[in-house]
Amino acid sequence: QQQVKQSPQSLIVQKGGISIINCAYENTAFDYFPWYQQFPGKGPALLIAIRPDVSEKKEGRFTISFNKSAKQFSLHIMDSQPGDSATYFCAASARAQKLVFGQGTRLTINP
Amino acid sequence: GAGVSQSPRYKVAKRGQDVALRCDPISGHVSLFWYQQALGQGPEFLTYFQNEAQLDKSGLPSDRFFAERPEGSVSTLKIQRTQKEDSAVYLCASSSTRDTQYFGPGTRLTVL
Repeated sequence: QQQVKQSPQSLIVQKGGISIINCAYENTAFDYFPWYQQFPGKGPALLIAIRPDVSEKKEGRFTISFNKSAKQFSLHIMDSQPGDSATYFCAASARAQKLVFGQGTRLTINP
Repeated sequence: GAGVSQSPRYKVAKRGQDVALRCDPISGHVSLFWYQQALGQGPEFLTYFQNEAQLDKSGLPSDRFFAERPEGSVSTLKIQRTQKEDSAVYLCASSSTRDTQYFGPGTRLTVL
């Protein structure tokens, strides 16, 4: 019940296209859903986060869509750029405690 | 100010050796977390401190793993009698406000 399932495992998108990564969870106690971006040799960096009281949050080219009834959330990267090539992790936590991460998506943006 | 820092960045240990990994959180951050990230996987929770109190150590894989934060700032993760399966990147994160965790660059541990 603590799992967060992420798909796809890898994704190739053309420059300027839309990258979409999906996550699903089981634990209804989760109340915070962040997305992290990680480059090789670096720690994860917070990209954008959402709470279950809203269905969508947008920051620049990054949008989280949240479906509470389906227990799913997704990251959309608009106008994808080669610099967006990285590994993306969704995560979830309850009551500001430990983060439970998805398995990661390796995103490649082709120029 | 400065972000979360970790040292050493790389550590090579022979099987059976003890290692100590250090985390310097962002100044003033109350909460501190340790995660283990195996190659190609997402980080997995190890333990959590609020100030000097260790509130959750449910993720520590064995009694060879020990963490402390005696003065509520710097934290040390110690692994005794290292095994090959301990090879991973060890990440530290700190948090002041509700939820948002900021990660350090990690320590890559290789056990030969």
